[in-house]
Amino acid sequence: GDSVTQTKGPVTLSEGTSLTVNCSYETKQYPTLFWYVQYPGEGPQLLFKVPKANEKGSNRGFEATYDKGTTSFHLQKASVQESDSAVYYCVLGNQGGSAKLIFGEGTKLTVSS
Amino acid sequence: ETAVFQTPNYHVTQVGNEVSFNCKQTLGHDTMYWYKQDSKKLLKIMFSYNNKQLIVNETVPRRFSPQSSDKAHLNLRIKSVEPEDSAVYLCASSLRRANTEVFFGKGTRLTVV
Repeated sequence: GDSVTQTKGPVTLSEGTSLTVNCSYETKQYPTLFWYVQYPGEGPQLLFKVPKANEKGSNRGFEATYDKGTTSFHLQKASVQESDSAVYYCVLGNQGGSAKLIFGEGTKLTVSS
Repeated sequence: ETAVFQTPNYHVTQVGNEVSFNCKQTLGHDTMYWYKQDSKKLLKIMFSYNNKQLIVNETVPRRFSPQSSDKAHLNLRIKSVEPEDSAVYLCASSLRRANTEVFFGKGTRLTVV
């Protein structure tokens, strides 16, 4: 079945350093890939999505490229801020019309000043 | 304000009791969901409704039952709670059934003692 595997947290970084959260997926379909972010006390919210292979998505300085060859969708940011502290989810959406999003296990990021 | 609203925010109950959680979305979406988030932040879909019709029913114990009166409301009832039901229950909605942004509520935290 479909699955998503991402960097196991927690990840602790200092402000101004770079971030990479690895994400790999498995599916026999042609999915849309998403990154969601969850701040404390909130529900997850969309960071960005990429519907097509070999395209890049970005938002708020975060970016990821949908690599069909390596089945990866790694999240990167060049310089993190304290406000980026949150849980990040790599998510796979299949196209079968079953309305299921498959969430990775989440990566908790803490950024200290 | 348009969003996904859940009540209550928190609920503490004893093993064997019945609980109900409410969810309303004012986004005009056709599809609504219940997700369960455990203490390790793992997110799993439980149910999905499209225009009041159940379209996704994951392997969930029979004591869980969703109820939809119209496409803007999706409630969740748990008949006889167990300790393993302690979690955050997240309601969400989306415009379409698949590969589209899902909007989450803030969640209901259930503690079973």
